[in-house]
Amino acid sequence: AQKVTQAQTEISVVEKEDVTLDCVYETRDTTYYLFWYKQPPSGELVFLIRRNSFDEQNEISGRYSWNFQKSTSSFNFTITASQVVDSAVYFCALSDGYSSASKIIFGSGTRLSIRP
Amino acid sequence: DVKVTQSSRYLVKRTGEKVFLECVQDMDHENMFWYRQDPGLGLRLIYFSYDVKMKEKGDIPEGYSVSREKKERFSLILESASTNQTSMYLCASSQFTPDKAVTLWGQGTNEKLFFGSGTQLSVL
Repeated sequence: AQKVTQAQTEISVVEKEDVTLDCVYETRDTTYYLFWYKQPPSGELVFLIRRNSFDEQNEISGRYSWNFQKSTSSFNFTITASQVVDSAVYFCALSDGYSSASKIIFGSGTRLSIRP
Repeated sequence: DVKVTQSSRYLVKRTGEKVFLECVQDMDHENMFWYRQDPGLGLRLIYFSYDVKMKEKGDIPEGYSVSREKKERFSLILESASTNQTSMYLCASSQFTPDKAVTLWGQGTNEKLFFGSGTQLSVL
């Protein structure tokens, strides 16, 4: 069975600090995909990144970076020099890659608060 | 821009009522999903559909059914609403994309989910 665990329920940091959101996943599949989504206070979820299980290269996009490690089944998300606009709930998600009939399973989310 | 529209932002129903939640997407996506979001539990998958008239159970299908008669529309039905179905309901759509970087045999992924703005359902 697939499972995504985000152990950090809430994180609060001061603006400009770096912060890492943890994501640990479980799957028996060899081909799978991992995602991160952001849910700002407005409520609508926004896609941030997708990574397939064969690509362990870290990815950087501006202040955001993602660290994928198959050995520890983790897909962590780091925000560098955090800003108040980064305050949101962040979700990690997992999908197997066999067919179009693929579930996408979400973790319970981490609420990130950036204090000015 | 892809648009996923949920018919109601807020809905109040009574226990035992039959409830229909409607979702429409305008990008010809094959896949559509219904999730419910509850504090501390994240998003939990109720049902999804990968084609017209095709449906698959998610992790918490009990008490729900779905209908997909047209590609653009995916309806969630609460046959007899109960108070424990009070929740935020989120609809999403996506396009399945074969991923040649992974395999030659058509494996792939739902590229990314596009979400509606949600329906907050209260069952009294």
